[in-house]
Amino acid sequence: SAVISQKPSRDICQRGTSLTIQCQVDSQVTMMFWYRQQPGQSLTLIATANQGSEATYESGFVIDKFPISRPNLTFSTLTVSNMSPEDSSIYLCSAPEGDGGDAEAFFGQGTRLTVV
Amino acid sequence: AQKVTQAQTEISVVEKEDVTLDCVYETRDTTYYLFWYKQPPSGELVFLIRRNSFDEQNEISGRYSWNFQKSTSSFNFTITASQVVDSAVYFCALKGYSTLTFGKGTMLLVSP
Repeated sequence: SAVISQKPSRDICQRGTSLTIQCQVDSQVTMMFWYRQQPGQSLTLIATANQGSEATYESGFVIDKFPISRPNLTFSTLTVSNMSPEDSSIYLCSAPEGDGGDAEAFFGQGTRLTVV
Repeated sequence: AQKVTQAQTEISVVEKEDVTLDCVYETRDTTYYLFWYKQPPSGELVFLIRRNSFDEQNEISGRYSWNFQKSTSSFNFTITASQVVDSAVYFCALKGYSTLTFGKGTMLLVSP
């Protein structure tokens, strides 16, 4: 199974600032995914990050607010920009084990963000 | 569009009781995959099982078992002889030709 390292594990940030979350996979993967989990809620996909192209954002999420980088096949970053208390959530990155549709989706440990 | 329904928001049991977590899904994809994840209070998402749409065999892993019934679009999860360490939020998820869709989760509280 893939090992996904995510950091920071938690942070408390001032409103109006930005935080960049890093996600490192121990193997090369074509796609990486970023999710948000608001308090007491399920996971919502923010965007899909493909290496070598711009990220694909889901409805309700925009690049200006959540810019994503994908410089190589094992690494991605998600920035939460101009934060407000509503951005307080757990942010998780995910990568499939392989490129097939039946690949398990493995997740990083999550970043627990609190905006004050 | 895909949809996953976990009707049980919260379940409380006493240790050693058996408990079943329900999951009902909707998809138009002919090939799809179903997952269960565990999220303990620490927040990480732990993969438990994957099942593809062509394999309706039930599976048992220790105290965990899963019942996949395509006819009723259900993929239920049973914990036998529950333990306090089983306390967590459990998510059912579905992946068809597009991305992974999660249910809202079921919080399981196991008391001693």
